[in-house]
Amino acid sequence: GNSVTQMEGPVTLSEEAFLTINCTYTATGYPSLFWYVQYPGEGLQLLLKATKADDKGSNKGFEATYRKETTSFHLEKGSVQVSDSAVYFCALSDITRGFQKLVFGTGTRLLVSP
Amino acid sequence: DTEVTQTPKHLVMGMTNKKSLKCEQHMGHRAMYWYKQKAKKPPELMFVYSYEKLSINESVPSRFSPECPNSSLLNLHLHALQPEDSALYLCASSQDSSGVLNEQYFGPGTRLTVT
Repeated sequence: GNSVTQMEGPVTLSEEAFLTINCTYTATGYPSLFWYVQYPGEGLQLLLKATKADDKGSNKGFEATYRKETTSFHLEKGSVQVSDSAVYFCALSDITRGFQKLVFGTGTRLLVSP
Repeated sequence: DTEVTQTPKHLVMGMTNKKSLKCEQHMGHRAMYWYKQKAKKPPELMFVYSYEKLSINESVPSRFSPECPNSSLLNLHLHALQPEDSALYLCASSQDSSGVLNEQYFGPGTRLTVT
């Protein structure tokens, strides 16, 4: 079945450092890909998405490019802030029994120190 | 407005209690979802409602009973829960449930503790 693999965390960075969180996927067909962020004690917020190969999703300084040749959707940010500390989930959109289902990776915790 | 609201924020219940979780959205979305999230794990899908009809039940025990009174509301009725059911329960909605392009919008969740 379809699946998403994320790098193990936590990722610990100093403020203003460059961030990469790796995400690869296994899928039949052409799923949409998403990054969700979960701040402590909160629900998930959609961070960005890409719906086809070579699409780049971007939001709040984060970006990710849908790479079909490497089946990847890595999340990047040029300069992280303490407020970016959260858990980041990579997900793909799967259709099962005619209905959309999100398949999540295990999540990567990001800790940013001042 | 891209908000999904959930009440209550926190809930503590005994194993013999009956309680309900509520979810509401006013985005005109026709698909709504319940997820369960254990600590340090990704959300797990429980139920999918499409146009107010239950479309997917991911083999969830009958002590969890979903209800969709109208297109804006989604309830999860709880009865005779076990301590291992303690988790964050997340509601989500999307424009409809049949397209891969649909993004799901999540509520803040209800943190449930079963004693």
